[in-house]
Amino acid sequence: EADIYQTPRYLVIGTGKKITLECSQTMGHDKMYWYQQDPGMELHLIHYSYGVNSTEKGDLSSESTVSRIRTEHFPLTLESARPSHTSQYLCASNEGLAEQFFGPGTRLTVL
Amino acid sequence: QKEVEQNSGPLSVPEGAIASLNCTYSDRGSQSFFWYRQYSGKSPELIMFIYSNGDKEDGRFTAQLNKASQYVSLLIRDSQPSDSATYLCAVKGTSGTYKYIFGTGTRLKVLA
Repeated sequence: EADIYQTPRYLVIGTGKKITLECSQTMGHDKMYWYQQDPGMELHLIHYSYGVNSTEKGDLSSESTVSRIRTEHFPLTLESARPSHTSQYLCASNEGLAEQFFGPGTRLTVL
Repeated sequence: QKEVEQNSGPLSVPEGAIASLNCTYSDRGSQSFFWYRQYSGKSPELIMFIYSNGDKEDGRFTAQLNKASQYVSLLIRDSQPSDSATYLCAVKGTSGTYKYIFGTGTRLKVLA
């Protein structure tokens, strides 16, 4: 069973606030990913990581940043939240060529 | 042309029928192919993966891969109302990239 966790599950916050979305996995996977998905729309890759101290921007331009200091942890930070950041954020991980496992997601609303 | 293309649907089938979902991809060097199911408001969950040409069966699900024609399909036999969801096709590209390219998904409705 996939063990990948995201917190918080839901977040409502005001414009201009700094937020960090947490993602942790206990499977020892070397690769981790952040996706953004609006309701009924496609997944957009915003960041990914090959391993510790390795991060890359994805296909969707994002004002967020990520870090990978430990294998199991891949937090995403928004320095100044805006209403346009309102979306669902999904974290995923995998090993090698195998399938990605997804966390439950964080639904973010910026007022 | 998108890298991974799916018909957005909705695809409506009666309960008990076979649902056929299709996906085409542009990168001829793609190595791994995945089908995910996503219920509304939930995260994607893996249904099947396939790496080699041909068919792969798992219960009511069959994945079919044709690398020469660059398509992968998912058949759902004896469709149930609980199968109603969006089905995402994902493709792992050529070696040198760790990105997985997702299609936009096909919404399936199984009518009771």
